Amino acid sequence: EDQVTQSPEALRLQEGESSSLNCSYTVSGLRGLFWYRQDPGKGPEFLFTLYSAGEEKEKERLKATLTKKESFLHITAPKPEDSATYLCAALLLFGNEKLTFGTGTRLTIIP
Amino acid sequence: EAQVTQNPRYLITVTGKKLTVTCSQNMNHEYMSWYRQDPGLGLRQIYYSMNVEVTDKGDVPEGYKVSRKEKRNFPLILESPSPNQTSLYFCASSQDSGGLGRTGEQYFGPGTRLTVT
Repeated sequence: EDQVTQSPEALRLQEGESSSLNCSYTVSGLRGLFWYRQDPGKGPEFLFTLYSAGEEKEKERLKATLTKKESFLHITAPKPEDSATYLCAALLLFGNEKLTFGTGTRLTIIP
Repeated sequence: EAQVTQNPRYLITVTGKKLTVTCSQNMNHEYMSWYRQDPGLGLRQIYYSMNVEVTDKGDVPEGYKVSRKEKRNFPLILESPSPNQTSLYFCASSQDSGGLGRTGEQYFGPGTRLTVT
């Protein structure tokens, strides 16, 4: 069964303390791996798309990387405004156009 | 302004009373989706549509219907709502589903909080 698993479920960091969020996937073939950010009470907001192992994308304090089994979202010197839930999702290589999301990592940055 | 709108934003209804949640986008996107979000279960895709008159099931389609008669609109229909359909619903649109060098960037609506008693 195709699955997307995110860890940890929740993460509390001090402002400036860098860390990484993990998204592991067990799918029959990956066409794209997506990262979204979701603030409380709002819809998710797109961050990155990764296509192949070894690929990296950056945006401000965030960097996403992809291997053949997992993706990492690295957060460097985070600020309180980076507090949010981060979601990853996988689009399968074969079959339909269905998108499978993980359950998310709730990130809290403490000033 | 590029946006996805949903209506209503909040809805309390009773079991069995048919309802429709509307979704509209102004970006001429081809791909549209409906999701439900529940604590501990994350975001799960209900239905998606690749274009007008083209729809397909996501992971949790039971109890829902959709239609795509116009490119901009993608309503979600609950013919006979039940309490287990109480959830937060999101509509989303993108130019495509992604992959093959395309971003698949989805724009999400503000959400509809549905309570079925």
